[in-house]
Amino acid sequence: ETGVTQTPRHLVMGMTNKKSLKCEQHLGHNAMYWYKQSAKKPLELMFVYSLEERVENNSVPSRFSPECPNSSHLFLHLHTLQPEDSALYLCASSQEQNSNQPQHFGDGTRLSIL
Amino acid sequence: QKEVEQDPGPLSVPEGAIVSLNCTYSNSAFQYFMWYRQYSRKGPELLMYTYSSGNKEDGRFTAQVDKSSKYISLFIRDSQPSDSATYLCAMRGQGAQKLVFGQGTRLTINP
Repeated sequence: ETGVTQTPRHLVMGMTNKKSLKCEQHLGHNAMYWYKQSAKKPLELMFVYSLEERVENNSVPSRFSPECPNSSHLFLHLHTLQPEDSALYLCASSQEQNSNQPQHFGDGTRLSIL
Repeated sequence: QKEVEQDPGPLSVPEGAIVSLNCTYSNSAFQYFMWYRQYSRKGPELLMYTYSSGNKEDGRFTAQVDKSSKYISLFIRDSQPSDSATYLCAMRGQGAQKLVFGQGTRLTINP
């Protein structure tokens, strides 16, 4: 496989459930990102990891918990989400956090909160 | 004021037309400018990547950056139905990896 792969592609969950989103990149990159994409709004950066260390957390509620066990894998653990959390969650990677190389995106997980 | 402004459209044009997509921005520190194309149910795909002012051409696509006016454009020549997608502009400053995105313009090319 090549590029950035996200699973699952779709997820429906209740507000009391706990689930996890997974991202895997096959590009040899050292930086990984979680974005939220809501209708009619720009992409919102949620978390940045560089060499498995979290370097940015954009005031994201604690019901979202990221995990980066190695430079190829990134998870987003979800618990007690709210209906307004329904969105497309995109993972991206880049060569380095501060490099001039652009970010490459996965196809996202479409999340619906009942 | 938003850091990046992009008309969300929708924009609908006939096949073969020249399409012009634009973004304006307020942060003069932005140095790197990108256009991403996002098809329905897919993630954003990098289309064009430019540094500072000037033009860059790739096939039917041309990206223009005018830093003095804080204005960037993407031109699509001989537009095709397969160009129907949402186009996102994105930009960032030197040394900072945080990308700032526009809202995206939804484009439809009619056969």
